[in-house]
Formats: sequence, C-alpha cells, structure tokens
Amino acid sequence: GNSVTQMEGPVTLSEEAFLTINCTYTATGYPSLFWYVQYPGEGLQLLLKATKADDKGSNKGFEATYRKETTSFHLEKGSVQVSDSAVYFCALSDPVGAGSYQLTFGKGTKLSVIP
Amino acid sequence: GAVVSQHPSWVICKSGTSVKIECRSLDFQATTMFWYRQFPKQSLMLMATSNEGSKATYEQGVEKDKFLINHASLTLSTLTVTSAHPEDSSFYICSAIGAQGWDGEQYFGPGTRLTVT
Repeated sequence: GNSVTQMEGPVTLSEEAFLTINCTYTATGYPSLFWYVQYPGEGLQLLLKATKADDKGSNKGFEATYRKETTSFHLEKGSVQVSDSAVYFCALSDPVGAGSYQLTFGKGTKLSVIP
Repeated sequence: GAVVSQHPSWVICKSGTSVKIECRSLDFQATTMFWYRQFPKQSLMLMATSNEGSKATYEQGVEKDKFLINHASLTLSTLTVTSAHPEDSSFYICSAIGAQGWDGEQYFGPGTRLTVT
C-alpha cells in the first residue's frame, strides 16, 4: 500500500535559519506529491505540489523536488520566519487502485521559529 | 477559487446528543468529498469518502452508524455524529475534489472543533 514517512518533530529554528523537512514515500502507481501546512487552530492549506518526477513545487519561499529515484519530496526554505511556525504535512495521491483520489498523509512535523 | 467551507467552526454538545457538520464547496462542484478526523498533535485520519448521490465508503474501524455522512448535492456533504460521547471530541476536517478534472489536489475546509461534555 501507499505510505508517507516524514521526519518527526518538533523542529525549532531561529529566524532566518535554513529549513529542511524530509519526506519519503512508497506508492503503487505514479503519485502526485504535496506539502500541506496547518497553522494553529486552522485547517490544512496546500503549500506546494508536484505531479511528476523532477517537478519542483514552490510557494512562499518553500521548495520541494519530486525525486522518483529516491522516492523523496523534501521541503526546504532558505530563510524561515516566525510566521512559518506551523505543522507541515507531506502527502501523496495515487491515481491507481482502490484508494484512488485519497490522500495519504505523513504524521506531520511541527515547526517553531523563534525570533 | 476552490474554496471549501465548514459549519460550524466549533460546537459544544452534551453527551448523548447528535451534531451535524456541514461541508460546502463554494465555487466549484465537488464530485467527491472526504471526511477526516484529527487528534491533538497527530496526523489526519481518513474517516470516509463520499460521492454525490451514493453511499459513503467508510474506512476500517469507523462506525458508519455513528458517523452518518450524506452527500446530497455536488456542493454539500454533511457529517452527523450521533449519540456523541466525550471520546468523539476532536477536530473534524472535510476536503473536496472538483468535477472539472483531477490533478490529485484536495481542497480542505477550515475544520470543525467538536467538544462533547
């Protein structure tokens, strides 16, 4: 079956530090990959996505590249801000099989950025 | 575009009563909607998948008689927690996929915080 593994948090960084949150996946087909962000008390918002190998998703200074050879989709940002403090979820959507259209989520990584 | 709303955003109810949560796609037609439950500091657990006009498909371990899902139109799905108990207290989130095509993306509602006393 499909699964997503992301680094466990919490992660605490100082403002302007470099961020990497690792994410690897297993899937039966050729999935689309996503990073969602959840700010305190809110629902999930799509941060970025990539639908095929070597695609790079980017948004708000965050980037992630779909690496089929390493089955990874690591999230990076060069300089984090306090406002980036949130929980980040890696997810995949596999168009093949009984779970079509369903998202498989990682467990989430809580990021805290301190001034 | 692709906005999903939920109502209410939070609700407190007494044990034994039922609570209905609405999920609406505001600017697109949603052929498929999903209901998730999120426990504190944990990931989202998919409860069920609902398609307009048909019965919901529940994930293993989710009681379909307790969590009633109705997807009556292409813009509305409801989740009713029947005979709620304190252990049902949680954050419930819905998401939707548009009818115009699929690129794997789901659009999420802001969530409903349910507290059962």
